[in-house]
Amino acid sequence: GNSVTQMEGPVTLSEEAFLTINCTYTATGYPSLFWYVQYPGEGLQLLLKATKADDKGSNKGFEATYRKETTSFHLEKGSVQVSDSAVYFCALRASNAGNMLTFGGGTRLMVKP
Amino acid sequence: EAQVTQNPRYLITVTGKKLTVTCSQNMNHEYMSWYRQDPGLGLRQIYYSMNVEVTDKGDVPEGYKVSRKEKRNFPLILESPSPNQTSLYFCASSLEARANYGYTFGSGTRLTVV
Repeated sequence: GNSVTQMEGPVTLSEEAFLTINCTYTATGYPSLFWYVQYPGEGLQLLLKATKADDKGSNKGFEATYRKETTSFHLEKGSVQVSDSAVYFCALRASNAGNMLTFGGGTRLMVKP
Repeated sequence: EAQVTQNPRYLITVTGKKLTVTCSQNMNHEYMSWYRQDPGLGLRQIYYSMNVEVTDKGDVPEGYKVSRKEKRNFPLILESPSPNQTSLYFCASSLEARANYGYTFGSGTRLTVV
């Protein structure tokens, strides 16, 4: 079946540091890939997505590139802020699984001033 | 404002007392889904619906029921709740079932069964 693996947290960074959260996936066919963010006490919000190989999704300074050859979709940001502290989920959606969204385990990011 | 609305946000109940968590979306989305989120287990899909009157089981459907009588509503029913159903529940919707559409999530319902 489909699966998503992301680095375990928490990831603790100082403000303005560079962020990378690794995400790799296993899926048959050609899934779409997503990053969601969950702030404390809230639901998940779509951060960015990519629907085919070599696509780059970007939003609010975050970026991720769909790499089919390495089955990866790593999340990056050049300069994090305290307000970026949240849990980040990598996910895929594929037609072979009823188009269900399959999530990774989540990575907690803590940014210190 | 385009949104998915869940109610209630918090609920404490006793074992065996039937309850319903409501979910409504105002975006005319075809696809709706319920997830539960548990520490160490991540997000797991309970049920989903591709359209009105079409529902199907996700990964963890035991102990839950759903219905989709109207496009906008997708209630989650626990006929006889048990303590292992204590969890954070999310309703989500997407425009269509196709893979390239992301989900819009509700704010969550924190359920405690004692």
